[in-house]
Amino acid sequence: KAGVTQTPRYLIKTRGQQVTLSCSPISGHRSVSWYQQTPGQGLQFLFEYFSETQRNKGNFPGRFSGRQFSNSRSEMNVSTLELGDSALYLCASSPTPQGNEKLFFGSGTQLSVL
Amino acid sequence: GIQVEQSPPDLILQEGANSTLRCNFSDSVNNLQWFHQNPWGQLINLFYIPSGTKQNGRLSATTVATERYSLLYISSSQTTDSGVYFCAARGGSGNTGKLIFGQGTTLQVKP
Repeated sequence: KAGVTQTPRYLIKTRGQQVTLSCSPISGHRSVSWYQQTPGQGLQFLFEYFSETQRNKGNFPGRFSGRQFSNSRSEMNVSTLELGDSALYLCASSPTPQGNEKLFFGSGTQLSVL
Repeated sequence: GIQVEQSPPDLILQEGANSTLRCNFSDSVNNLQWFHQNPWGQLINLFYIPSGTKQNGRLSATTVATERYSLLYISSSQTTDSGVYFCAARGGSGNTGKLIFGQGTTLQVKP
């Protein structure tokens, strides 16, 4: 079974631009969660989607948004990028709503904002 | 929301040594997981252990939910064990809420 796939692996953007990151969960998994990882703040929860519905949202500004498609693939979008948005963005999937079972992570997208 | 604290923040071992990593949480949990992040950034799920004890090879974990802590044991450490170990917990009842991660323990195993 293929693991969680995130694309792209690396991304360089400039301030003010917007970016879209993609996540394909493990086949059969319907829950997708997104996390932001930075050296200073650690792993912070962004949001979770299950069956195309947002179940939970973390404490991030409205510039951060996401969605999930009927095939469970998910995208997250960051608009009006700021330097502080530079981070490793991790996607995780599980069969059922987040954390009822093991969470499986992708390799992440490293975003650099210049 | 639930608070998750890990100790120690950093650990340096010689190959072959044993170690214990601790995770304290501030509220009752219905989900507790341990992860290993390798030097390339990949997070690997080690254990799903909201209570009780589990073992997987040289690794084992114990969660004492009533006392609000979990321990990860690494025996006969190898250089490939290096990286950051995270615990993550979800508080409360039911299946709502999000998994909150601790700040991690950075482990370096020297040959």
